[in-house]
Amino acid sequence: KQEVTQIPAALSVPEGENLVLNCSFTDSAIYNLQWFRQDPGKGLTSLLLIQSSQREQTSGRLNASLDKSSGRSTLYIAASQPGDSATYLCAANPPPGTYKYIFGTGTRLKVLA
Amino acid sequence: NAGVMQNPRHLVRRRGQEARLRCSPMKGHSHVYWYRQLPEEGLKFMVYLQKENIIDESGMPKERFSAEFPKEGPSILRIQQVVRGDSAAYFCASSPQVAGSGTGELFFGEGSRLTVL
Repeated sequence: KQEVTQIPAALSVPEGENLVLNCSFTDSAIYNLQWFRQDPGKGLTSLLLIQSSQREQTSGRLNASLDKSSGRSTLYIAASQPGDSATYLCAANPPPGTYKYIFGTGTRLKVLA
Repeated sequence: NAGVMQNPRHLVRRRGQEARLRCSPMKGHSHVYWYRQLPEEGLKFMVYLQKENIIDESGMPKERFSAEFPKEGPSILRIQQVVRGDSAAYFCASSPQVAGSGTGELFFGEGSRLTVL
């Protein structure tokens, strides 16, 4: 049974720092993995999606990597800004890609000005 | 191009009442998924629907919960005789492709937050 864990649960950093958010999954057989951002009281915004055959994806200051063999994905945020403050969720989509994503509980990020 | 639209955004019900949550998928999307987020927990899959069909309801409680996606109109998640434990955020997501094909990307709505008094 797939389980997704995100560490740390909360993180507070000064503006400008580069940071890494971690996501671990127990079953390496995944169809894809998606990183989301959730602002308080809001919905989920898709940040990056990595297919099982890919190693990483980049969008602006964000870079997500995937290592299926070790069951890990990381989200790298460069030059963090106060506007990056949100909860970041990692979700693994088991094969054959039925969209029954398994979500982690998220990392609550606060970037201090 | 409007995103996934959910309403109401907030709903308050007393124990024993019924809650109806609506979801209109993105234009061109015919696959709808409902997820539930309990306080301090991750989102959990409830049900996957296509127009007029329930494809997978394995994550939905067997009693009091039902979902539909009619030929015309939004998808509806219905909770009968609500209890305090039903208090949660209910998220709808949509995709343009059948499960197992394409990128697998999901597009989420803003959610409906149900509070049961």
